[in-house]
Amino acid sequence: AQSVTQPDIHITVSEGASLELRCNYSYGATPYLFWYVQSPGQGLQLLLKYFSGDTLVQGIKGFEAEFKRSQSSFNLRKPSVHWSDAAEYFCAVGFNAGNNRKLIWGLGTSLAVNP
Amino acid sequence: GAGVSQTPSNKVTEKGKYVELRCDPISGHTALYWYRQSLGQGPEFLIYFQGTGAADDSGLPNDRFFAVRPEGSVSTLKIQRTERGDSAVYLCASSSGQGAETQYFGPGTRLLVL
Repeated sequence: AQSVTQPDIHITVSEGASLELRCNYSYGATPYLFWYVQSPGQGLQLLLKYFSGDTLVQGIKGFEAEFKRSQSSFNLRKPSVHWSDAAEYFCAVGFNAGNNRKLIWGLGTSLAVNP
Repeated sequence: GAGVSQTPSNKVTEKGKYVELRCDPISGHTALYWYRQSLGQGPEFLIYFQGTGAADDSGLPNDRFFAVRPEGSVSTLKIQRTERGDSAVYLCASSSGQGAETQYFGPGTRLLVL
C-alpha cells in the first residue's frame, strides 16, 4: 500500500536558520509529489509540486524541494526561515492512474520559529 | 469565485443527528474531492467526483457517509446518525480534471459531534 512518512513531528528553528523537512514515500512507481502548508485557521496552501523533469523544484515563499528516486524522498528546504513560516507542513503523494486521483498524506511536521 | 469555499465553517451537532456540509469548487473545475482531517493527522481521502459522478468513493468509512454533486459543481457531503468519532475538519478540494494536476483546498468545515 502507498504511504507517506514524515519522520519529524515537530521542529523548532531560529529565525534566519536553514530548514529541511523530510518526506519519504512508499510506492512502486514515481508518484506525483506535493508539499502543502497549513497555518492555524487557514486552508491547505500548495508550496510546490513535482510531476516530472528537473528533480529540484522551486516553490513559493522561497521553498524548494528535491526528488531523490533512489531514496524515495522529497525533502523540503528553505535557506533562511522567517517567523511567518511557523505552520504545519504536509507532504503528499498523488497518482494519475484512471480514477485513482486521491492524495495520500503524511502526518505533518509542525514548525516553530524562535525569534 | 476566487477559490474553493465551504459552508458552514463550523458545525456543532448532537450524536445521532444528520448533517450536510457544502462545497463550492473553483469555477470550471470538473474534479472535486472530499477529505477528512482529524486532530494531529494528515488529511484522509473520502471521495472523488469527476463531473457529476463519484469516480472513487473508496475512502468513505461506512454507509452513514454519502456525497452528491448533481450538477457537476457544488457538492454536499452528508453524514447520517453522526457519532462522536466523526468529529473532524472536513476539507474539500477541486482541480481542473486534466491529467496530472494540483488540488486546491477550501478552508474546511470543523464538525463537532457532542
